Amino acid sequence: DTAVSQTPKYLVTQMGNDKSIKCEQNLGHDTMYWYKQDSKKFLKIMFSYNNKELIINETVPNRFSPKSPDKAHLNLHINSLELGDSAVYFCASSQSGGGLTEAFFGQGTRLTVV
Amino acid sequence: GESVGLHLPTLSVQEGDNSIINCAYSNSASDYFIWYKQESGKGPQFIIDIRSNMDKRQGQRVTVLLNKTVKHLSLQIAATQPGDSAVYFCAEKVQAGTALIFGKGTTLSVSS
Repeated sequence: DTAVSQTPKYLVTQMGNDKSIKCEQNLGHDTMYWYKQDSKKFLKIMFSYNNKELIINETVPNRFSPKSPDKAHLNLHINSLELGDSAVYFCASSQSGGGLTEAFFGQGTRLTVV
Repeated sequence: GESVGLHLPTLSVQEGDNSIINCAYSNSASDYFIWYKQESGKGPQFIIDIRSNMDKRQGQRVTVLLNKTVKHLSLQIAATQPGDSAVYFCAEKVQAGTALIFGKGTTLSVSS
């Protein structure tokens, strides 16, 4: 049983395309996140949702739009993909409204824009 | 820049040695700290956490030390094994409702 699952694991696409990454968690958590990991392994928060509501929206281009249909899902849609969007994207979840608890991470989606 | 960072980007040890990975944080208001392990091709995996009202916490073969005076966090791994080879991140949370902020990571290489 995978706690936080993302699909696809790999995504190769051309510049200008629109793509989506899906994330589901079966932990019953009420907070979900998207992180971006660059080529130097640095992990940076992009978005945070609590009970389907946007809580955190870091300085991310508006080409990135998260969507949370329910507490267990947080999808990431990216419009007009650019070369600089190439990275590994991680979905994560935590409980207790994002309180002082650890976040559980998915396996990541490696996005390559060519 | 990021508020959490690690002193060394890489650390190489022999199997059986003890490893110490360090992290400095800049936000004195941070309330909660976590160490994560990330193996190649996988997501970060929780190792151990500590709250700001503690200065030491032990797990299985791992110990986290927190020095709030100098804003320093360390992860000690006893009897390091080849399976411990990975990138280690420290992360902090300022308060409930905020996201974890990650440092740059230290790559631990264990040779047998």
